Amino acid sequence: AQKVTQAQTEISVVEKEDVTLDCVYETRDTTYYLFWYKQPPSGELVFLIRRNSFDEQNEISGRYSWNFQKSTSSFNFTITASQVVDSAVYFCALSDFGNAGNMLTFGGGTRLMVKP
Amino acid sequence: DSGVTQTPKHLITATGQRVTLRCSPRSGDLSVYWYQQSLDQGLQFLIQYYNGEERAKGNILERFSAQQFPDLHSELNLSSLELGDSALYFCASSSWDSSNYGYTFGSGTRLTVV
Repeated sequence: AQKVTQAQTEISVVEKEDVTLDCVYETRDTTYYLFWYKQPPSGELVFLIRRNSFDEQNEISGRYSWNFQKSTSSFNFTITASQVVDSAVYFCALSDFGNAGNMLTFGGGTRLMVKP
Repeated sequence: DSGVTQTPKHLITATGQRVTLRCSPRSGDLSVYWYQQSLDQGLQFLIQYYNGEERAKGNILERFSAQQFPDLHSELNLSSLELGDSALYFCASSSWDSSNYGYTFGSGTRLTVV
């Protein structure tokens, strides 16, 4: 069975600080996909990134970066120079094809509060 | 606009009632997924349909049911509603073509049971 763990339920930082959100996953499949979503206070789910299990290249997009390490089954997300607008709940999610379906399994989420 | 349309956006109803949530997937997507997000909770997978057939089932209560129609839109039916069913319900559809694989989420239906 697949599982995603986000051990940090809540993080509070001051604007301009760097912050890393941790994500650890479990799957028996060799082919799988990892995702990060942002859920601002308005409630919608905003897609941030997807990664497949064969692509361990780290990625940077502006102030956002992701570190994918298969050896530790982790897919961590770093925000550099955080801003108040980054305040949201962030979800890490996993999809594999081991089950009959290919649903996304979400972690419990990390609530990030960026204070001015 | 994400391409996945959920209606209604908000719904307030009384305990014991029945409601239907509707989802139209992104054009060309055959899979539809339903998720429930209770207050301060994570996203719980309820059920998946693929091209009209049930594909996978998660933690969906017996009071809840879903279906996907020939035009690929899906409906989630919630009956004998309880206060604890108050939640944000998301629908998503998926595309797995090589250039644009992933999941697209609707904006959700916020259900309040009073």
